[in-house]
Amino acid sequence: AQSVAQPEDQVNVAEGNPLTVKCTYSVSGNPYLFWYVQYPNRGLQFLLKYITGDNLVKGSYGFEAEFNKSQTSFHLKKPSALVSDSALYFCAVRAPNSGGYQKVTFGIGTKLQVIP
Amino acid sequence: DAGVIQSPRHEVTEMGQEVTLRCKPISGHDYLFWYRQTMMRGLELLIYFNNNVPIDDSGMPEDRFSAKMPNASFSTLKIQPSEPRDSAVYFCASSLARFDEQFFGPGTRLTVL
Repeated sequence: AQSVAQPEDQVNVAEGNPLTVKCTYSVSGNPYLFWYVQYPNRGLQFLLKYITGDNLVKGSYGFEAEFNKSQTSFHLKKPSALVSDSALYFCAVRAPNSGGYQKVTFGIGTKLQVIP
Repeated sequence: DAGVIQSPRHEVTEMGQEVTLRCKPISGHDYLFWYRQTMMRGLELLIYFNNNVPIDDSGMPEDRFSAKMPNASFSTLKIQPSEPRDSAVYFCASSLARFDEQFFGPGTRLTVL
């Protein structure tokens, strides 16, 4: 069974500093990996995904994520945090296509707090 | 496109009452998902449809929950009878299979008293 772990319930970072939100995964085969963001009282919004190719994936709002197969990780990063980045971040994984649709498994979420 | 539309945005009802949540997916998307989000359990997939056909309903918690998709532009999630433990935010999402990312609606916050 596939799974996602987000080891930190909350990450605090000062505005202007780099941020990292951690994610590790477990899946059979080469994973499809995603990051979503949820602002208060809103639905999840897609940020970026990794399917294949370059291990560094760039996404919306200046976010990027690095796929590390040996460490089974897909950490979300941003060089300079903004107060407006404060939100709940979800990592998600699915197994590669194998004749049918594969369900996406979401992590529990990490609350990012950017301090002015 | 207006994105995924859900209604109502908030629903307060009493235990035992029937609740119907509605969703309009993004036009052209062929997958539709219903999720439930709570503090305790996070985001749970309840059921998903492909081309209006239910594919996997293994996440539906009990027989009190049912979902339908009569056409490509409309889906409902029904709870009958509702119970206080059903209180949560329910999200609908849709996707184009080949692009994989899901587009979420704003959610329906359900409170069962």
